[in-house]
Amino acid sequence: VLTQSPATLSLFPGESATLSCRASQSVATYLAWYQQKPGQAPRLLIYAASSRAAGIPARFSGSGSGTDFTLTISSLETEDFAVYYCQHRINWPLTFGGGTKVEIK
Amino acid sequence: QVQLQESGPGLVKTWETLSLTCAVSGSSISSGYYWGWIRQPPGKGLEWIGSMYHSGTTYCNPSLKSRVSISIDTSKNQFSLKLSSVTAADTAVYYCARPDNINSGGDFQHWGQGTLVTVSS
Repeated sequence: VLTQSPATLSLFPGESATLSCRASQSVATYLAWYQQKPGQAPRLLIYAASSRAAGIPARFSGSGSGTDFTLTISSLETEDFAVYYCQHRINWPLTFGGGTKVEIK
Repeated sequence: QVQLQESGPGLVKTWETLSLTCAVSGSSISSGYYWGWIRQPPGKGLEWIGSMYHSGTTYCNPSLKSRVSISIDTSKNQFSLKLSSVTAADTAVYYCARPDNINSGGDFQHWGQGTLVTVSS
């Protein structure tokens, strides 16, 4: 089970965002982060806990291993306000976290 | 450029079988990779349904396993999802997706745009 916190994060553009994903058991570094905007498919941001996917800006960074992971957005831009999900792939079944909504304050 | 496109009925009757197809372009479905299905009920989070390797090996969400069937049609370069005995709880946007890493079951880089399936009597 992947637990994301907080459920909602209210921030101003330009601020830094820190999102948490906690696994009920170790997933090593087999963890990915996705961004989803309304009406769109999810977009892969981070894989292997800390590797940015192709075309993802450097302001997105991931860290962690084992059971505790963090997605950091260093300086929020207006297009970053969205819902973020973590997902593990250490074994089957794959699971997603419940999501964190980053909203404009 | 890998592109995926879901298709299928937007409305399915309760207790009937939901059938969706994902057409793949820019990648041969028989060249490898895990081909996956993910769904998202309205206003809720993402749920992995299942994934199939090009060889035919299939992994499914245990909560749906008895009702899920995933298949691949190499001649049409597409893969399909069948979900039987559907109820309103199966109403969701259904996505097909594929990782970039040929050995990865997750890390879905490529997604279809999603198709809304409503279950109603």
